Amino acid sequence: GESVGLHLPTLSVQEGDNSIINCAYSNSASDYFIWYKQESGKGPQFIIDIRSNMDKRQGQRVTVLLNKTVKHLSLQIAATQPGDSAVYFCAENGNSGGSNYKLTFGKGTLLTVNP
Amino acid sequence: DADVTQTPRNRITKTGKRIMLECSQTKGHDRMYWYRQDPGLGLRLIYYSFDVKDINKGEISDGYSVSRQAQAKFSLSLESAIPNQTALYFCATEDNYGYTFGSGTRLTVV
Repeated sequence: GESVGLHLPTLSVQEGDNSIINCAYSNSASDYFIWYKQESGKGPQFIIDIRSNMDKRQGQRVTVLLNKTVKHLSLQIAATQPGDSAVYFCAENGNSGGSNYKLTFGKGTLLTVNP
Repeated sequence: DADVTQTPRNRITKTGKRIMLECSQTKGHDRMYWYRQDPGLGLRLIYYSFDVKDINKGEISDGYSVSRQAQAKFSLSLESAIPNQTALYFCATEDNYGYTFGSGTRLTVV
């Protein structure tokens, strides 16, 4: 079956450094991708999304890059702060047409920011 | 109040017991989901509902049932709980801009 996976299960960075979290997807029909942040004891929270007609999208301190050729998604966090410590999930919609229902989630990457 | 509220937040139950996890939302969304989260496995879809009359199984529905009592309420039941159903359970609603998750229910079956 189709799957969404992450290259690294854990990532440790120094405060102020930039962080890059990677995600590989295998469903070529996916046209919508989302990054979620999950802090300890909380549900996942939306960070940023991107549609397949784009290869880059920027938010506040975050950038998502999409490489459809190699089916790779990345989340870049600039000037990482201790409050960024969390598990980050990528998700794909696995279908065409622009709907984002029935997301498939990756296993997550734990980001730890050291002061 | 939270947009998506799950109750209880924590629950310990015995093998064989019936238990219901409740979810309510104030966002007015038609689409609601139940996910299960296990360490190293990410979020897996149990059931989803696109409206009150539309209930669908997800990838791991065995051992679970759901009820969509109203647009705002979507409950998940374990008819006879077993230890491998110990997990963190999340309810979510969805609109065209993405999912909103509840804070989760941590269920332990002993």
